[in-house]
Amino acid sequence: DADVTQTPRNRITKTGKRIMLECSQTKGHDRMYWYRQDPGLGLRLIYYSFDVKDINKGEISDGYSVSRQAQAKFSLSLESAIPNQTALYFCATSDFGSGERGETQYFGPGTRLLVL
Amino acid sequence: AQSVTQLGSHVSVSEGALVLLRCNYSSSVPPYLFWYVQYPNQGLQLLLKYTTGATLVKGINGFEAEFKKSETSFHLTKPSAHMSDAAEYFCAVSPGGYQKVTFGIGTKLQVIP
Repeated sequence: DADVTQTPRNRITKTGKRIMLECSQTKGHDRMYWYRQDPGLGLRLIYYSFDVKDINKGEISDGYSVSRQAQAKFSLSLESAIPNQTALYFCATSDFGSGERGETQYFGPGTRLLVL
Repeated sequence: AQSVTQLGSHVSVSEGALVLLRCNYSSSVPPYLFWYVQYPNQGLQLLLKYTTGATLVKGINGFEAEFKKSETSFHLTKPSAHMSDAAEYFCAVSPGGYQKVTFGIGTKLQVIP
């Protein structure tokens, strides 16, 4: 079974709809991240959480919100979807702080979102 | 603050040819450096990383990268490209602590038969 899972894998929605993307991990990591990937722009950080009680905005948080329901679950919501939120969304985890040098991140398979 | 520059958003090589993907970084502290690979319809996965010690780092699938502090570079190489190497490759820098990882924009590698 995959260590980091994302649901749904593909989603088509309409402008103005509220949608939620979910991420679950079985790695036992404290840190979780949401990124979006756009052609030519690479990965951009939306939100991140260093533990259940810690939520931080990334570089492009406008129009998004998150919820860290448990150590294993981190959800991303688009309150009112717009077409320029069409992208590939990735969840990632890391266990940085356990003595590891440098922060290796572990990615889910991604959610492809199309906003019409 | 740190940043990563990947030169060439698309690179094409012939099967069997040398693969060279370029990455330059800037960091205010000694960096930890990474290469990730993204195969079609998959998430990113770690290819290799440099933390401390030996500056030539070997990764999976025959890839390696050399940390050159004087050139602020961490280029990725493979002596002989395989068709299965076709993917997008991301360079990343992690200063450590509570600073976030910064990714480059990615380089798509095409392998021509």
